[in-house]
Amino acid sequence: DTGVSQDPRHKITKRGQNVTFRCDPISEHNRLYWYRQTLGQGPEFLTYFQNEAQLEKSRLLSNRFSAERPKGSFSTLEIQRTEQGDSAMYLCASSLGDRTYGYTFGSGTRLTVV
Amino acid sequence: SQELEQSPQSLIVQEGKNLTINCTSSKTLYGLYWYKQKYGEGLIFLMMLQKGGEEKSHEKITAKLDEKKQQSSLHITASQPSHAGIYLCGADDRGNFNKFYFGSGTKLNVKP
Repeated sequence: DTGVSQDPRHKITKRGQNVTFRCDPISEHNRLYWYRQTLGQGPEFLTYFQNEAQLEKSRLLSNRFSAERPKGSFSTLEIQRTEQGDSAMYLCASSLGDRTYGYTFGSGTRLTVV
Repeated sequence: SQELEQSPQSLIVQEGKNLTINCTSSKTLYGLYWYKQKYGEGLIFLMMLQKGGEEKSHEKITAKLDEKKQQSSLHITASQPSHAGIYLCGADDRGNFNKFYFGSGTKLNVKP
């Protein structure tokens, strides 16, 4: 598989629980992005990594959210003490930094907080 | 922040008909990207426009950029059911390729 993989595809969790999502980018891509998409809206930027360095974070990323990319390969996004407002599709993307080709997105992880 | 407004919000067309989707930016456009999203899936990159007057085509989909109007249009010729989905435009945040803003999307249904 040469695309961006995200795991799990779906996650249902109770309010207050912690959840962790994983993203495996295209292997030669050094840049990795997390976006969040709520129903009927376009994706919103959360954070971006160049190799293992987290270079930018959105204000949307509250202190309950943390993202890591420890070896510059896969990345994890953790949400602590989930709230119903966290219910959304979490999209991961990767790129080489060549704007001509945009990003390659994964299929997303749909989170439902009940 | 960059705001992108798409119109129409949704569209139902008969198979074989042409259609146009518009994306208008409130800020200067440095790069404009078009993506397609199947319901509940990730985004598929269609094309990127950078220069004013630029036009690109991919199969039956053509996109143009009007830099002065800060607007892009996506035109589908002879639509097919396979064109159904959500079309999203995205733009660099002030030229920062590593941070996109997206429009809220145009939902397209193509009736066979």
